[in-house]
Amino acid sequence: ELKVEQNPLFLSMQEGKNYTIYCNYSTTSDRLYWYRQDPGKSLESLFVLLSNGAVKQEGRLMASLDTKARLSTLHITAAVHDLSATYFCAVDRPSGGGADGLTFGKGTHLIIQP
Amino acid sequence: GAVVSQHPSWVICKSGTSVKIECRSLDFQATTMFWYRQFPKQSLMLMATSNEGSKATYEQGVEKDKFLINHASLTLSTLTVTSAHPEDSSFYICSARQGWEETQYFGPGTRLLVL
Repeated sequence: ELKVEQNPLFLSMQEGKNYTIYCNYSTTSDRLYWYRQDPGKSLESLFVLLSNGAVKQEGRLMASLDTKARLSTLHITAAVHDLSATYFCAVDRPSGGGADGLTFGKGTHLIIQP
Repeated sequence: GAVVSQHPSWVICKSGTSVKIECRSLDFQATTMFWYRQFPKQSLMLMATSNEGSKATYEQGVEKDKFLINHASLTLSTLTVTSAHPEDSSFYICSARQGWEETQYFGPGTRLLVL
């Protein structure tokens, strides 16, 4: 059974600081996704990581993937209050083929204080 | 990015009634759509995979007779919660993938409250 573990589950940080969220998964998977969820809202796609060593950056967020270690990171640089949200990583099911849904981590609830 | 819509955005119903939720891909065709459920302060859990023109594939523990899924066209999937009970109250979110290398795009969700 595929398991996806995120840590930390809760993070409170100050504006201007840097921090990293970690996502480990238990079995081989083709792709890894990062999503953002604001309270009461649905998911917003942040990154799709398709291969080992993939690195993608958007603004103050940067995501990377190490398929050998089954680890992805989401790095926040010089955090600002607007980045406060819950961040989920998710992995395609092992059978792949694009026809299976995603398995999500529990989410990291991020609060950025002025 | 691709747009996925859901209707209704929220619904309140009495216990024992049935509720239908629609999921549409607005600007692309989706042979496969997915239905997730999210309880408060929890993560998303996949309920079923909806394939156009064929039967849905349900995850273990999800009752297919209670959660009826129909994927009648390449842009529409529906989830019907039959004989809803208070424990079915949740945030139901659908998603669709546009292409092999694309992410899944999520609808805005439907918040169901069963009284």
